Amino acid sequence: DAGITQSPRHKVTETGTPVTLRCHQTENHRYMYWYRQDPGHGLRLIHYSYGVKDTDKGEVSDGYSVSRSKTEDFLLTLESATSSQTSVYFCAISERVAGGNEQFFGPGTRLTVL
Amino acid sequence: AQSVAQPEDQVNVAEGNPLTVKCTYSVSGNPYLFWYVQYPNRGLQFLLKYITGDNLVKGSYGFEAEFNKSQTSFHLKKPSALVSDSALYFCAVRDVGNTPLVFGKGTRLSVIA
Repeated sequence: DAGITQSPRHKVTETGTPVTLRCHQTENHRYMYWYRQDPGHGLRLIHYSYGVKDTDKGEVSDGYSVSRSKTEDFLLTLESATSSQTSVYFCAISERVAGGNEQFFGPGTRLTVL
Repeated sequence: AQSVAQPEDQVNVAEGNPLTVKCTYSVSGNPYLFWYVQYPNRGLQFLLKYITGDNLVKGSYGFEAEFNKSQTSFHLKKPSALVSDSALYFCAVRDVGNTPLVFGKGTRLSVIA
């Protein structure tokens, strides 16, 4: 999975609790992304980062925040988890975001909010 | 805004037969198109991409895709399907400019022995 790790790989939590997912890369790529995968919706972009401390919102950013203090780490935080945030979360990276540059994906984190 | 559609949720094909997974797109400029595959409990793996030039693009594991500008399509194909090709396939598009990929909803391919 292209030098990308995600932690934890599985998590079960309760509604209203904060949750932080971590993505770590060893490729020194500038761009990092968080997607969520849900049946019938495919992959939807939550947030992405184009450099240390530089982030932007995606299609489904409500209820999520991100931080990137180092090139290799991109954190996704659910401030107060809800059942609608039960999903599989994927981190991705790319060298550039333009043109034909593909994104490479991590193994995913399965989050269940009870 | 850019978008991509995969009209089939599920495609079933017999082993050894040719397979096609369909994708259509909508962009404001020239598209950059991608196919990814996802095996159970794994992340997405890049298969192939179209940037410019030859309309037939060859990728990993014997897959190819045909870009058709007039039909705004980028269908994934393989001449002879294998049971091991059974997986979830995603088409993705990027418009001109610096934007993340936009993915379709995915098509589940089932190859039956």
